[in-house]
Amino acid sequence: GAVVSQHPSRVICKSGTSVKIECRSLDFQATTMFWYRQFPKQSLMLMATSNEGSKATYEQGVEKDKFLINHASLTLSTLTVTSAHPEDSSFYICSPFQSGSDTQYFGPGTRLTVL
Amino acid sequence: RKEVEQDPGPFNVPEGATVAFNCTYSNSASQSFFWYRQDCRKEPKLLMSVYSSGNEDGRFTAQLNRASQYISLLIRDSKLSDSATYLCVVNMGGGSYIPTFGRGTSLIVHP
Repeated sequence: GAVVSQHPSRVICKSGTSVKIECRSLDFQATTMFWYRQFPKQSLMLMATSNEGSKATYEQGVEKDKFLINHASLTLSTLTVTSAHPEDSSFYICSPFQSGSDTQYFGPGTRLTVL
Repeated sequence: RKEVEQDPGPFNVPEGATVAFNCTYSNSASQSFFWYRQDCRKEPKLLMSVYSSGNEDGRFTAQLNRASQYISLLIRDSKLSDSATYLCVVNMGGGSYIPTFGRGTSLIVHP
């Protein structure tokens, strides 16, 4: 399978700070990047979809000004949680996808805890 | 009706048992189908794609029923290591890839 890295794997921060999560597809070009969030014992929830060089499309209920997504290259996308609050504590997972493929891969996830 | 539905379980089975999960989808134009496995506190990993003719990979068999709009996953001779959440994914896009995830079915295999 494809190699996807996500950094950091775990972060603990104080309320009000911003956290940037990086996702890299190491051996293929990610024309599309999906960002998911998963709360404990719940299913994956799609937050946004971004295509390289374009603005992300956010799912209903996800604030675009709070969750900033940058997909400037085919191998790197970032998600910044701005002014994080305890309710943002979750498992964030990126999923790069290559156009023409039919397989979706996932990064190892970032566990965010906001105190 | 949700777009992709799965029985959340948990399915609690002994080692060696055969267990089957179903997943129904609402969009008849859905193009491709997948089963992913997710272990606790880990990311989902592709288990297998589901082809129209059905496909098998060792102890795992996946089938697609387009008429009834469901896919299934059969696990034979369950192992303790099969304990996980199994996610059904349906690509509802026409020309593009638009994945929709089920909520997952939890499987617990006990000794």
